[in-house]
Amino acid sequence: DQQVKQNSPSLSVQEGRISILNCDYTNSMFDYFLWYKKYPAEGPTFLISISSIKDKNEDGRFTVFLNKSAKHLSLHIVPSQPGDSAVYFCAASKEFSGNTGKLIFGQGTTLQVKP
Amino acid sequence: DSGVTQTPKHLITATGQRVTLRCSPRSGDLSVYWYQQSLDQGLQFLIQYYNGEERAKGNILERFSAQQFPDLHSELNLSSLELGDSALYFCASSSTPGQGGELFFGEGSRLTVL
Repeated sequence: DQQVKQNSPSLSVQEGRISILNCDYTNSMFDYFLWYKKYPAEGPTFLISISSIKDKNEDGRFTVFLNKSAKHLSLHIVPSQPGDSAVYFCAASKEFSGNTGKLIFGQGTTLQVKP
Repeated sequence: DSGVTQTPKHLITATGQRVTLRCSPRSGDLSVYWYQQSLDQGLQFLIQYYNGEERAKGNILERFSAQQFPDLHSELNLSSLELGDSALYFCASSSTPGQGGELFFGEGSRLTVL
């Protein structure tokens, strides 16, 4: 049962353009969502998060949008840079409903930003 | 550098064998999580410990076990290994579970079962 899904295994964009990575979830109890970035031979690193009480959170070039009714979130990177090329994981948790803090991850989307 | 240390980085072993993966969390973090990443798969949650006690269990096989020691380091034991156990095993830590959700990951231990 894949509770968090990233249906696009890969995405290729041109440097300077917008990258949009999508994520869907099925469990309505999820109330906190995160994006992690992973480079080869490294562990995932936290990028940005959003609580379910918000619909948008912005941090520099990165913005996460949450559509609770559609159970969908997206990560926008503007402008995209070659250094953004990595695997991006969407993750979800139940922060405010007695959860332990564990994260449920999607399968990841490999982003390639071409110079 | 996340501050989470995992050893060994690479491990090659044969089917039927037993291995132990070790994780040292960030200084001060009480919670340790283990995740498995198989080929083309996302990160699958295995198990979590908080201050020495098991806190949550995910899709962890009965052949696998873990523990967290008084010094807060954790070990993941994998026994009766099968080819399908070949994967990247990540350890992550956090200071307080359920607050903020951010986990800090180690670089992973790549296990190859031949």
